[in-house]
Amino acid sequence: KNQVEQSPQSLIILEGKNCTLQCNYTVSPFSNLRWYKQDTGRGPVSLTIMTFSENTKSNGRYTATLDADTKQSSLHITASQLSDSASYICVVSRASGYALNFGKGTSLLVTP
Amino acid sequence: NAGVTQTPKFRVLKTGQSMTLLCAQDMNHEYMYWYRQDPGMGLRLIHYSVGEGTTAKGEVPDGYNVSRLKKQNFLLGLESAAPSQTSVYFCASSLTRTQADTQYFGPGTRLTVL
Repeated sequence: KNQVEQSPQSLIILEGKNCTLQCNYTVSPFSNLRWYKQDTGRGPVSLTIMTFSENTKSNGRYTATLDADTKQSSLHITASQLSDSASYICVVSRASGYALNFGKGTSLLVTP
Repeated sequence: NAGVTQTPKFRVLKTGQSMTLLCAQDMNHEYMYWYRQDPGMGLRLIHYSVGEGTTAKGEVPDGYNVSRLKKQNFLLGLESAAPSQTSVYFCASSLTRTQADTQYFGPGTRLTVL
C-alpha cells in the first residue's frame, strides 16, 4: 500500500527558532515529492517539489531534502515567523496514475 | 487572475438533501480534482477530470457525482447527503498530467450534514 507518514503530528516552537519536519513514504514507483503549506481555513499551497534526482530544494526560509534511497524527506524552516503557523503536508506522486498520496500533515504553531 | 474559486464557502444540509458545489478556474488548466479533508486524515481524492467532458473516479467516489461541461468549471454533486459526508471539500486544478506539475487548490467548502 502506498503510504506517506509524517512526524511529528504537531509542533510548537518559539519565534525565531528553526525546526525540521519529517516525511517517510512507501509510494512506488516514485515520481516526485511535494511539500505544501496549508493555513487554517485555506487550501494547500505548494512550497517545493523534488524529483528522484534532486536531493535538496529551497524556497526562501524553507529547505526540503529528499533521500530517495531511504524514502525520506524533511522540511527545514529557518528563523521561524508567526506566519509559519500552519499545517505542512507531504505529498508523493507515483510514476503512473493520477492520484497523489497525501500525508496527514504536521501542525506547526510558532509562538511569540 | 482569481486562480481556483469555490462556491459556496459554507453550507449546512439535512440528511437526504441534495446540493452542488461549484469549482471554477481561470488558468486554462486541463485537469481538475475534487478532494475531501477530514480531521486526522490526509486529503482524499473523490473524482477528477482530465479535460472538458471527461470525469473519473478517485479514491472515495461513493455518494458523489461530478460533471465537467466547461473546461473552467468542475461541479461536485451530492444527491442524498449523509452525515458521513460532513467534511471540508477542496477543488484543485493542474495544467497538465505530467508528474512535475503542481496542483493549485481552492479555498475550500465546509459542509455540515445534520
